[in-house]
This record gives sequence, structure tokens and C-alpha cells, in this order.
Amino acid sequence: GENVEQHPSTLSVQEGDSAVIKCTYSDSASNYFPWYKQELGKGPQLIIDIRSNVGEKKDQRIAVTLNKTAKHFSLHITETQPEDSAVYFCAAPLATGFQKLVFGTGTRLLVSP
Amino acid sequence: NAGVTQTPKFQVLKTGQSMTLQCAQDMNHNSMYWYRQDPGMGLRLIYYSASEGTTDKGEVPNGYNVSRLNKREFSLRLESAAPSQTSVYFCASRKQGLETQYFGPGTRLLVL
Repeated sequence: GENVEQHPSTLSVQEGDSAVIKCTYSDSASNYFPWYKQELGKGPQLIIDIRSNVGEKKDQRIAVTLNKTAKHFSLHITETQPEDSAVYFCAAPLATGFQKLVFGTGTRLLVSP
Repeated sequence: NAGVTQTPKFQVLKTGQSMTLQCAQDMNHNSMYWYRQDPGMGLRLIYYSASEGTTDKGEVPNGYNVSRLNKREFSLRLESAAPSQTSVYFCASRKQGLETQYFGPGTRLLVL
């Protein structure tokens, strides 16, 4: 089955800096990679995802890159703001398709004003 | 739309007690999920239901049972709670054919 590793577990940056969170996966057949953001006291919410047929996807200040050869993908947040402070989870399919996901262990991002 | 709702928000149980966590969604989604979230372990799938009347085990199903009562509701039952089941439980739903899972606000469970 799929195994997802996520680093770092905590990340502190100053407002305006960039933040990068990295995940590796084990199943070369995996083809869908979402990122979820969890604010304090709430459930996770999808912020961006990427399919294996593209190498990069952007949405305003966030982007995800995928390296299929190395089996890793990363979340990039530019011009960080205090409201970006949250826990971020990467995920990959548990089996073929995207019906079931395996989540990384999470990264707590703290953006200081 | 309320989205995904969960009850209760918080519960304290004694070892050996039973309880049912309730989840409902009003988005007409086919698939529903139960996860548990523990510090340093991320979200782990307990059970999954692709549609009404079907359920499938996830990564950590032991000690739990589920019921997909109808298309809207998916409940998680602990028959004999153990301290190891202390966790935050999240329900999620997904529309058929699309990837995004929508999560509820969670139920915090403490088993003494």
C-alpha cells in the first residue's frame, strides 16, 4: 500500500517569507496528490491538488510541484500572511484511483507578523 | 447548505462504554468517510462508504463499526471504548467522480 512521508513537522516563518513543505510517496502508480489545510478547531479543507500528468500547478500564492521520478511533491506558499498559519496535510491515493487517501503526518506552519 | 455536520462535538467515555458518533451531509454526495486524527500521526482512515448500503475497511478499522443509514448519514460506533481510541474523529464526504473530500468539524473523544 501507499506510504506518505511529510517534512518538516513544524515550520516558522516571518510574514512575507516563502514556505515549502515536502512529501514523498512510495507507490509509483499514484496519480493524484492533494493538499489540505486545517485551521485550529476545524476540519481539513482542500487548498490545491495536482494530477500526475502535470509537473506544477499554481493558484495565487500557493503552488504544488510534482517530481514523479523521485516520487515527491511539494507545497509552496509565497508572501506568507498570518492567516496562513495552520496545519497542512499532503495525501496520496491508498489504492488505484482517488477514492481513499493516505495522509501525511502534517506540518504546523506558524507565520509571525 | 450546512455541509458535513457531526455530533457530538465533545464526549468523555469510561473504558468499556459504547457510543455512536453521528455524521450527516446535505450535499447529495455518494461517498462518506470516517477518519481519526492523533498527534504526530495525521489523518488515518477508519472506514469508507462508496454509496448507500456499502462499507469498506480503511487503515485502522479494529474496534469500530459503521452504518450507512441512508445517503445522508454515516455513523461510527465504538462497542467497547478503550483509552487508545481517545482521538479527534472526522467525517468527510465526496461527490462521485470528483476528488475533493469535504470534512466536518470533528468530534473530540476522550476515553478514561
